[in-house]
Amino acid sequence: DTEVTQTPKHLVMGMTNKKSLKCEQHMGHRAMYWYKQKAKKPPELMFVYSYEKLSINESVPSRFSPECPNSSLLNLHLHALQPEDSALYLCASSQATVSYEQYFGPGTRLTVT
Amino acid sequence: GENVEQHPSTLSVQEGDSAVIKCTYSDSASNYFPWYKQELGKRPQLIIDIRSNVGEKKDQRIAVTLNKTAKHFSLHITETQPEDSAVYFCAASIRHGNQFYFGTGTSLTVIP
Repeated sequence: DTEVTQTPKHLVMGMTNKKSLKCEQHMGHRAMYWYKQKAKKPPELMFVYSYEKLSINESVPSRFSPECPNSSLLNLHLHALQPEDSALYLCASSQATVSYEQYFGPGTRLTVT
Repeated sequence: GENVEQHPSTLSVQEGDSAVIKCTYSDSASNYFPWYKQELGKRPQLIIDIRSNVGEKKDQRIAVTLNKTAKHFSLHITETQPEDSAVYFCAASIRHGNQFYFGTGTSLTVIP
């Protein structure tokens, strides 16, 4: 299995809602990532987990809360988002964090109303 | 930190022609350079990569070259086809680092 999966594909939420994005990989990778991507822009790194420990938090607002329950799963909990948070949220995984190929999931298209 | 610049931002070529996209990086400690293709509404897909101990790598119609002295690397696509139309991102990863630094992307259009 060489795929990273993400659910849901699309999500519409109000500014007072709480929702979660999920990511799963079964490639035995020990590093997982959350990215935010706006249209026609490169992916913007949010969080990096290495061996299930948070290793990078790129100054992301606290309304985004990551969680790595085990080596195959990665969640992103969302609360009190703003309209400008609407974007494609991509999960990726790699064998390790240092100079290894990253494989992306299909993303969750998030719209905040 | 690392800074990756990518040119051109848009590129149109006739089907069958070649396309070249160039990236420069700033940190000489960068040692891994992947290229991603992203079609509209799809995920970024790794299409080719190169490590700093290699000067060139080829996979069918796609090749990547690396000039460590000048700190630049390029993607070459030969015999372009309409399905090559997409946004292409280069990236660099620093030795002992744990993240990619992406270029700003090139929107490639192949005209049939």
